[in-house]
Amino acid sequence: TQLLEQSPQFLSIQEGENLTVYCNSSSVFSSLQWYRQEPGEGPVLLVTVVTGGEVKKLKRLTFQFGDARKDSSLHITAAQPGDTGLYLCAAPRAGNMLTFGGGTRLMVKP
Amino acid sequence: DTEVTQTPKHLVMGMTNKKSLKCEQHMGHRAMYWYKQKAKKPPELMFVYSYEKLSINESVPSRFSPECPNSSLLNLHLHALQPEDSALYLCASSQSRGTWSYGYTFGSGTRLTVV
Repeated sequence: TQLLEQSPQFLSIQEGENLTVYCNSSSVFSSLQWYRQEPGEGPVLLVTVVTGGEVKKLKRLTFQFGDARKDSSLHITAAQPGDTGLYLCAAPRAGNMLTFGGGTRLMVKP
Repeated sequence: DTEVTQTPKHLVMGMTNKKSLKCEQHMGHRAMYWYKQKAKKPPELMFVYSYEKLSINESVPSRFSPECPNSSLLNLHLHALQPEDSALYLCASSQSRGTWSYGYTFGSGTRLTVV
């Protein structure tokens, strides 16, 4: 059983559509991160959310941390082909090591 | 310099070969990590170095041998690998082992194929 469960695992949408990706856990976290990984590259940090209920915006991306700090969501407005990639949520586990969710593979078609 | 540089980008090796993966960062980060990523899966932690000392080994087989010669360099020595070890090997760094909240900086990885 993974510490962080992401859904959906795969999403294929048309350019201009909106989408939401979820990251859920039964554990409470002090904070949570979202990364994006493009093919042939390493993950790149998008955002860190720290406070329960916090909402952060990064251009067309909106990140929310659940009130109980057990879950998070990523909403993309008007998706573009450049948004294509693997989206990973991540949180610290024992020893402060970063562990990743299973990932959501997003494909945005022109 | 805000990058983690990994070499080589691609490596094909036989099961009897010995090879090394290299990772370098000049951000002054004192924690460095090796992750393994299989196709369509998230990265999985292998090793953690903190202040050039190995602090975590996630029960990785001994055919993988990490080395941290100094605070900027991290190597992964490979010997007698199996085909199932084929994967993308990612190096990452962070300010220190405890300050993960600033994020990890990842390299682009080495795509390893064992034949």
